[in-house]
Amino acid sequence: DTGVSQDPRHKITKRGQNVTFRCDPISEHNRLYWYRQTLGQGPEFLTYFQNEAQLEKSRLLSDRFSAERPKGSFSTLEIQRTEQGDSAMYLCASSLYGELFFGEGSRLTVL
Amino acid sequence: GIQVEQSPPDLILQEGANSTLRCNFSDSVNNLQWFHQNPWGQLINLFYIPSGTKQNGRLSATTVATERYSLLYISSSQTTDSGVYFCAVVGSGTYKYIFGTGTRLKVLA
Repeated sequence: DTGVSQDPRHKITKRGQNVTFRCDPISEHNRLYWYRQTLGQGPEFLTYFQNEAQLEKSRLLSDRFSAERPKGSFSTLEIQRTEQGDSAMYLCASSLYGELFFGEGSRLTVL
Repeated sequence: GIQVEQSPPDLILQEGANSTLRCNFSDSVNNLQWFHQNPWGQLINLFYIPSGTKQNGRLSATTVATERYSLLYISSSQTTDSGVYFCAVVGSGTYKYIFGTGTRLKVLA
């Protein structure tokens, strides 16, 4: 069991560019979550999947954000036309019976 | 939606001291976890504790679901305990965890 894996760990991009993050959950975990965390704040829920179905999505998530989990295994989070306000740590977590396990996060800096 | 409040927001201790961190939530919960966020930003699981009491070494936690609070006890604190402690809960009818604002702990040598 290698834990939740996220890639890339760091991403620096220019405003207006698209970025994509990948998350590989713990094997056999059926639920996968995305959170965003800015400096000095707690993690903020973005969306979660049960298997391949996206069951809940935060109203704070603009249309520029999209997440997929096509085969119920890994997931991607894409941000289109990035803005400076998107700079944050993007956290992925997975669970099977309720306990959440987080990856190390992907830090995004938008210049 | 459910609200989660943590107290105190900041705490400074001398090494060896004990402390209690509190998490209050505004509605009934199905799940509750405590996490420690290390200086590199990773969230480390401390306790999965929807109800009852658990202990793990110098740390213990108690959740009283009927009174809508949970407590995290740290005894004989060490400098490595420094960081931010988060409480996260799952309300009814959902599987999403809502996080509190955290308690920032600094343990001085």
